[in-house]
Amino acid sequence: GAGVSQTPSNKVTEKGKYVELRCDPISGHTALYWYRQSLGQGPEFLIYFQGTGAADDSGLPNDRFFAVRPEGSVSTLKIQRTERGDSAVYLCASSLSRTGPGSGELFFGEGSRLTVL
Amino acid sequence: QQQVKQSPQSLIVQKGGISIINCAYENTAFDYFPWYQQFPGKGPALLIAIRPDVSEKKEGRFTISFNKSAKQFSLHIMDSQPGDSATYFCAASMGDFGNEKLTFGTGTRLTIIP
Repeated sequence: GAGVSQTPSNKVTEKGKYVELRCDPISGHTALYWYRQSLGQGPEFLIYFQGTGAADDSGLPNDRFFAVRPEGSVSTLKIQRTERGDSAVYLCASSLSRTGPGSGELFFGEGSRLTVL
Repeated sequence: QQQVKQSPQSLIVQKGGISIINCAYENTAFDYFPWYQQFPGKGPALLIAIRPDVSEKKEGRFTISFNKSAKQFSLHIMDSQPGDSATYFCAASMGDFGNEKLTFGTGTRLTIIP
């Protein structure tokens, strides 16, 4: 497809379990971002990648959260020992480039809704 | 610490009317101010954005007004239509072409009634 693709769209898990959320960005977009959106709130920045490297992971809430982008395209957000407070919609976005004119637009996927019971 | 405050939380406007959503920021280093529109079950989509070197930007029925001294900016939707019913988020970021670390407001749920 032409847009950012995220899987799964819904994930229900039990407290303490491990979860992986996948993001497939728009082809050719070098920058990739993860945000978290809690109910009734705006998206909250987690991490962004320029190519394969995490350029800024300052938004990750703790060391249970980790993200990778090994080949500079698909990214996986990994959450260990999930807690009920991790329940949210996890949004992935991509953009053409981190720098330069026209780089202002983020293209978001539809998100992965995570529910931790 | 919430760096971008958005109001109102919800807004009901009659079809054809003007919808106005306001945001205020604290960090004077912010230099990029986009508005995103989000429909239920979808991701946010960029609507319009402004940089602080101009006080107003208009795209079709959507206008951003920017007041640098007051650290405030607003979205005006002219001739509001039922299809505009969605949640709107203001955001801000910093850097030469900064967009990756957007700080979002809490959102305004807009409902346009016939």
